[in-house]
Amino acid sequence: DAGVIQSPRHEVTEMGQEVTLRCKPISGHDYLFWYRQTMMRGLELLIYFNNNVPIDDSGMPEDRFSAKMPNASFSTLKIQPSEPRDSAVYFCASGPTGGLEAFFGQGTRLTVV
Amino acid sequence: AQTVTQSQPEMSVQEAETVTLSCTYDTSESNYYLFWYKQPPSRQMILVIRQEAYKQQNATENRFSVNFQKAAKSFSLKISDSQLGDTAMYFCAFMKGVGANSKLTFGKGITLSVRP
Repeated sequence: DAGVIQSPRHEVTEMGQEVTLRCKPISGHDYLFWYRQTMMRGLELLIYFNNNVPIDDSGMPEDRFSAKMPNASFSTLKIQPSEPRDSAVYFCASGPTGGLEAFFGQGTRLTVV
Repeated sequence: AQTVTQSQPEMSVQEAETVTLSCTYDTSESNYYLFWYKQPPSRQMILVIRQEAYKQQNATENRFSVNFQKAAKSFSLKISDSQLGDTAMYFCAFMKGVGANSKLTFGKGITLSVRP
């Protein structure tokens, strides 16, 4: 398996624009997580899914952020409209039911100017 | 809620020497798991070692070992024979017990530099 695949690896956008980050989890994993990494706050869990259903979105910072998982092999994290303070590295991770390891993608570095 | 604290923002060690990275956590759970993740400049998050709270024996993985003190809620990582490739950020992480679906709470991380 190729691991968790995220795209794009880098994204630069202007304030106010819509940004969509994409993730393909490892096949067979039931859980999918979106994390955000910043210098100030470290790694924060934004939302996670189980069997494509959002379980906990309490980490989503505000209504500008939304995440979907239309099927077991694809998830998106959307920011609309984007703001400079959204600049961060966004990680997607997946894990199997009962598993004890989360497998991370390589992250998307988002810069909002 | 669980919290994970890494109080040292950065450390430096000479190649081939031993270094210990500190981590403390707070939880009311009795069954949980603790992890150390490594993040090299490539940004990839790599699992270094895992400790089950119900196990008294400290986990080891080659040059990496932990000192797990459950009563003190302390979980330090020891890297022996440090190598240049160990230069990275290291994150301590906590996961609740069985059925906790791999949801991780991370510390802020520590930057480790290995000097040649």
